[in-house]
Amino acid sequence: QSALTQPASVSGSPRQSITISCTGTSSDVGSYNLVSWYQQHPGKAPKLMIYEVTKRPSGVSNRFSGSKSANTASLTISGLQAEDEADYYCCSYARGTSYVFGTGTKVTVL
Amino acid sequence: QVQLVQSGAEVKKSGASVKVSCKASGYTFTDHYMHWVRQAPGQGLEWMGWINPNSGDTSYAQKFQGRVTMTRDTSISTAYMELSKLISDDTAVYYCAREKEGLTWGQGTLVTVSS
Repeated sequence: QSALTQPASVSGSPRQSITISCTGTSSDVGSYNLVSWYQQHPGKAPKLMIYEVTKRPSGVSNRFSGSKSANTASLTISGLQAEDEADYYCCSYARGTSYVFGTGTKVTVL
Repeated sequence: QVQLVQSGAEVKKSGASVKVSCKASGYTFTDHYMHWVRQAPGQGLEWMGWINPNSGDTSYAQKFQGRVTMTRDTSISTAYMELSKLISDDTAVYYCAREKEGLTWGQGTLVTVSS
């Protein structure tokens, strides 16, 4: 199972919006609405930001939103803030009762 | 609130095995799958497998099959991940993560493999 493909880095200015893509295949992202997104600050454990493609856990800012089209899922951060600077990973259920993570994207707030 | 508390850092020699524990609290342990994920220094997240704490059923990533064993002790709400035949590339932070509408993570356990 190959890792899902994410851009290595994305940057934006405060208050701007950015979108991170996560490209898989018809065996994972394209077949299941089980894509989740995680934020990871340096030296910390990942934190759940989005689950089941579009759902936001309690306590996560509504500036974070998710979507999916065919084999590509996306995470959008609107109203970018300094605290959003972190690494972001997507994750998808994959055929064969397995899971696969994305390659990770470093978000920089300019 | 949900808490996953992992065992402390380990240093192992190449060829040895390591067993990491993950004690759950704040929910019914047998109600949710437990996943194990690792992260090598400066690298991304890598899914290793899951265990169903209720039945003990497991599913492992192909890469780790034959080397990883996931178990649980329901009497103390604890999951375990044992990795054998360690090599230097196994040096990583190992996380347990509960699956319920996405993954909720433990604090991580650093495993260092030295030759």
